[in-house]
Amino acid sequence: NAGVTQTPKFQVLKTGQSMTLQCAQDMNHEYMSWYRQDPGMGLRLIHYSVGAGITDQGEVPNGYNVSRSTTEDFPLRLLSAAPSQTSVYFCASSYSGTGEYGYTFGSGTRLTVV
Amino acid sequence: AQSVTQLDSQVPVFEEAPVELRCNYSSSVSVYLFWYVQYPNQGLQLLLKYLSGSTLVKGINGFEAEFNKSQTSFHLRKPSVHISDTAEYFCAVDNDMRFGAGTRLTVKP
Repeated sequence: NAGVTQTPKFQVLKTGQSMTLQCAQDMNHEYMSWYRQDPGMGLRLIHYSVGAGITDQGEVPNGYNVSRSTTEDFPLRLLSAAPSQTSVYFCASSYSGTGEYGYTFGSGTRLTVV
Repeated sequence: AQSVTQLDSQVPVFEEAPVELRCNYSSSVSVYLFWYVQYPNQGLQLLLKYLSGSTLVKGINGFEAEFNKSQTSFHLRKPSVHISDTAEYFCAVDNDMRFGAGTRLTVKP
């Protein structure tokens, strides 16, 4: 049982480049989300999805797009990378968005924008 | 929106000593509360959660937390820590999973 799989683990981008961070889960979870982790700030919610075809913005959505065409996959797109997007990105999933089950996290993608 | 405050950014302790990591939240309604642990270069793992019922919640690796509604706190405790408990610990609240800034626990020999 793989859980939540994120790729790539590391990435270096130049300012202005675009890329997609991949997230896949094999637990048939309806709820998926993306967070960024920055020192001293904990995790901040970027976007989330309560099911295939449904997405919504979190706390820090600017500069990021998401889509949810299947239950399993929830990619995060950086449209035009900026140094402020240098961070560690985590994908998480849960049976539902109401929180009582807790979340399963991927191992993260460390992104550096130069 | 709800908020979560972790009162200590770093907590150094010696091995086999007790530890308490403090968490306060802001909410006037019922909440779900969580503690997660993040080991170096890994994702977060769920340690324990409070949904309702008994205010003392036991989790994995010997950790426990106590929900105190009057003080809006959910402090994490362990009576005797090990070197392997060195990690960052995050408190989180409710269904929008808003996280605190984290507490780095360092256990020294």
